[in-house]
Amino acid sequence: EAGVVQSPRYKIIEKKQPVAFWCNPISGHNTLYWYRQNLGQGPELLIRYENEEAVDDSQLPKDRFSAERLKGVDSTLKIQPAELGDSAVYLCASSSARNEQFFGPGTRLTVL
Amino acid sequence: DQQVKQNSPSLSVQEGRISILNCDYTNSMFDYFLWYKKYPAEGPTFLISISSIKDKNEDGRFTVFLNKSAKHLSLHIVPSQPGDSAVYFCAAHRWGKLQFGAGTQVVVTP
Repeated sequence: EAGVVQSPRYKIIEKKQPVAFWCNPISGHNTLYWYRQNLGQGPELLIRYENEEAVDDSQLPKDRFSAERLKGVDSTLKIQPAELGDSAVYLCASSSARNEQFFGPGTRLTVL
Repeated sequence: DQQVKQNSPSLSVQEGRISILNCDYTNSMFDYFLWYKKYPAEGPTFLISISSIKDKNEDGRFTVFLNKSAKHLSLHIVPSQPGDSAVYFCAAHRWGKLQFGAGTQVVVTP
C-alpha cells in the first residue's frame, strides 16, 4: 500500500513569492491534515479535512495561507506571499476511521 | 498554549539497555495518546498508542504507561537497538486533533 505522497520535497523561495505544496493521501483515507513543523518543535495542525470539507482551520493564517481538497482526495496548501517566518517543514497526514494518522515525508520550505 | 510537553530534548542510552521517554500533558480531556518516531528527512511514523481508559499498552519492545492522576505518560523501549536512534514525539488526541510535544532525540550507543 502506497503511503502519503508529498511534493515537492524541498522548496527555496524569496520572501513575498507564492508557493504551493501538494499531497496525495493514502487511498480510502477520508481525513486529511496539514501540519507545520518548526525547527525543534512538534508538528502543529494547520487544517483538517473530512472529505472535501475543511472541518478545522482555526490555526490556518488565513491572510496568506489557503488550502483546498478537490474531490476529497488530493490537497494543495498555498502560501501567498511567503514570509521569512514561514520557513518550516510542511507535513501532510491522512487517516481512516481509526485514529492513527499516517504522515508523508514533508516539504521543507526555506524562505530567503 | 503548550498542552503536551516533553521536557527532555535528548536521551543517550547504551545498546541493550532500557530507554525511558517521558511526556506530560495538562488537558484531562485528551482521550488517547500516541507515540511517533521520526528519522531525518522522513515524516513521523506511528509507534504505539494508549487509550485514556488504560494504564498500559505493550507491543513487542515498546510499552507505554499512562498515569492519569499525574497527567503523565512514558514510553519504554527494551532492549534499545541502534535503529531506535530517532526523534520520538508524544501526541495527545481530542476531537480529531493531535497535539504534539517538542520531541526527544534518542541516541543509542554501542
